[in-house]
Amino acid sequence: GDSVTQMEGPVTLSEEAFLTINCTYTATGYPSLFWYVQYPGEGLQLLLKATKADDKGSNKGFEATYRKETTSFHLEKGSVQVSDSAVYFCALSYNTDKLIFGTGTRLQVFP
Amino acid sequence: DAGVIQSPRHEVTEMGQEVTLRCKPISGHNSLFWYRQTMMRGLELLIYFNNNVPIDDSGMPEDRFSAKMPNASFSTLKIQPSEPRDSAVYFCASSPGQGYAEQYFGPGTRLTVT
Repeated sequence: GDSVTQMEGPVTLSEEAFLTINCTYTATGYPSLFWYVQYPGEGLQLLLKATKADDKGSNKGFEATYRKETTSFHLEKGSVQVSDSAVYFCALSYNTDKLIFGTGTRLQVFP
Repeated sequence: DAGVIQSPRHEVTEMGQEVTLRCKPISGHNSLFWYRQTMMRGLELLIYFNNNVPIDDSGMPEDRFSAKMPNASFSTLKIQPSEPRDSAVYFCASSPGQGYAEQYFGPGTRLTVT
């Protein structure tokens, strides 16, 4: 069945470091791909999305490119801040309302 | 825009008691989702509704769990009887409708069953 695999965390970085969180998916078709972020004590919120191959989603300095050939949607940011500390979830959908989430990756950024 | 509203934010109850969690979706959204989040199992979809009709309840763990959506602006998730293993954060999310996958999450209800 369809699934999303994320790198295990926690990812620990110093402020201003480069971030990559890996995400790969298994799907029978061509899903839409998403990154959600969950800050401590809050619900998930959409960070960015891409709906077709080679699309790049971006928001708040974060980027991810839909790579059909490698079935990947890795999240990147050039310079992280302490305020980026959160749990990041990769997800896919076939343009229905239902999302299939990965297990989440915790990011910890230290000053 | 008020966002998705959940109540209560925290609930502590004793094993065997009935627990009711409440959710008000964003006005105009046609789909509503209930999730459970624990350290051990991560984020799990329990059930989702479209136009107030349950579409997929395959994630509901057992008969002790039930969910209703009597109208477009209100949903409940009930656990009866509750057990310590039900302790988790329960999230409600809503979405504008089929084919529009962005979901908007509420702040969650932290349930502790002692």
